[in-house]
Amino acid sequence: DQQVKQNSPSLSVQEGRISILNCDYTNSMFDYFLWYKKYPAEGPTFLISISSIKDKNEDGRFTVFLNKSAKHLSLHIVPSQPGDSAVYFCAASAWNNAGNMLTFGGGTRLMVKP
Amino acid sequence: GAGVSQSPRYKVAKRGQDVALRCDPISGHVSLFWYQQALGQGPEFLTYFQNEAQLDKSGLPSDRFFAERPEGSVSTLKIQRTQQEDSAVYLCASSFSGTTLEQYFGPGTRLTVT
Repeated sequence: DQQVKQNSPSLSVQEGRISILNCDYTNSMFDYFLWYKKYPAEGPTFLISISSIKDKNEDGRFTVFLNKSAKHLSLHIVPSQPGDSAVYFCAASAWNNAGNMLTFGGGTRLMVKP
Repeated sequence: GAGVSQSPRYKVAKRGQDVALRCDPISGHVSLFWYQQALGQGPEFLTYFQNEAQLDKSGLPSDRFFAERPEGSVSTLKIQRTQQEDSAVYLCASSFSGTTLEQYFGPGTRLTVT
């Protein structure tokens, strides 16, 4: 069963507007969430993260919102730029003594049109 | 500074051949992870090392998959008797310590089994 889901495989947004990427999870043990950005032929690049004790984290144009009761998080990009066009992965972690493996969603391809 | 590097970037193997994929993590990073990413999907956890100790190998899909990190730095993922379903991108990631949650990914090795 998929513990982290990104239900929108793709999203198209006009340059300058807001991009909202969504992610849902089922495992209540997850306590840390991350967003990664991936360009073709490159590895995922860490973008922003949020701990389960917070409901919002902001870094420049990127803001992540966490709704624990709904087991839902979202990434907002404002304003969107053509260089933001990439695949975005949501990932979750449940800390344990054996390490902090990440569980990823399937990704959302964002296309920002000039 | 240097990031995570992986070699080879591309590997074509005939079914039944053995392959070895190499990962050079960021210098000083204690934790090292291997993930498998099938086409159109998110990365899936394979195995985790803390220094030279393999603390979690629960994601390895079969006993044909073997990973090692003998000196706590470079790691090798070996796949014996490759099958077509092994075709995927194999991603390596490292993090500074066992308590650091952000992981830094290499560019991946794309394995194609024919």
